[in-house]
Amino acid sequence: KQEVTQIPAALSVPEGENLVLNCSFTDSAIYNLQWFRQDPGKGLTSLLLIQSSQREQTSGRLNASLDKSSGRSTLYIAASQPGDSATYLCAADTGANSKLTFGKGITLSVRP
Amino acid sequence: GAVVSQHPSWVICKSGTSVKIECRSLDFQATTMFWYRQFPKQSLMLMATSNEGSKATYEQGVEKDKFLINHASLTLSTLTVTSAHPEDSSFYICSATTGVTEAFFGQGTRLTVV
Repeated sequence: KQEVTQIPAALSVPEGENLVLNCSFTDSAIYNLQWFRQDPGKGLTSLLLIQSSQREQTSGRLNASLDKSSGRSTLYIAASQPGDSATYLCAADTGANSKLTFGKGITLSVRP
Repeated sequence: GAVVSQHPSWVICKSGTSVKIECRSLDFQATTMFWYRQFPKQSLMLMATSNEGSKATYEQGVEKDKFLINHASLTLSTLTVTSAHPEDSSFYICSATTGVTEAFFGQGTRLTVV
């Protein structure tokens, strides 16, 4: 059974800092891995999706990498801003059917 | 494109009543829809998978008679929480996929049972 872990549960950084959010998964036979953003009381916003054949994906200040063999993915946020404050969730699709296993998320706070 | 609309965004109901949550794919046909629930500070947990025109597949530990799922068309799935109790209070989120694309998520529904 796939398990996804995100540590730490919370992170506070000053504005402008570059930061890395970590995600680990137990079953390396994933179809893809996805990073989401969730604002308090809101739904999910998809940030980046990395297919199993890919190593990384980039969108603006965000870069996500995937290392299947070690069961790890990282989300890199460059030049963080207060508007980046949210919970970041990673999720693994193990069965190629869009049924996702989520981590608990990392709640990020970017201080002005 | 790829918009999934979930309604209502929040609902308060009395204990013992039933609540229906709708999940619609607005600009694509969703052969499969998923229902998740999320408790505070917890991850999203898959409740069930529904395929259009067939019975939903429930995850272990989810009561199918309590959480009724109907996927009657390629653009609509509904989740009905029957005889709701305070412990059913949670955030419910649906996602939809064509089967060849990633799943797209609705905005979520905050259910509070009083």
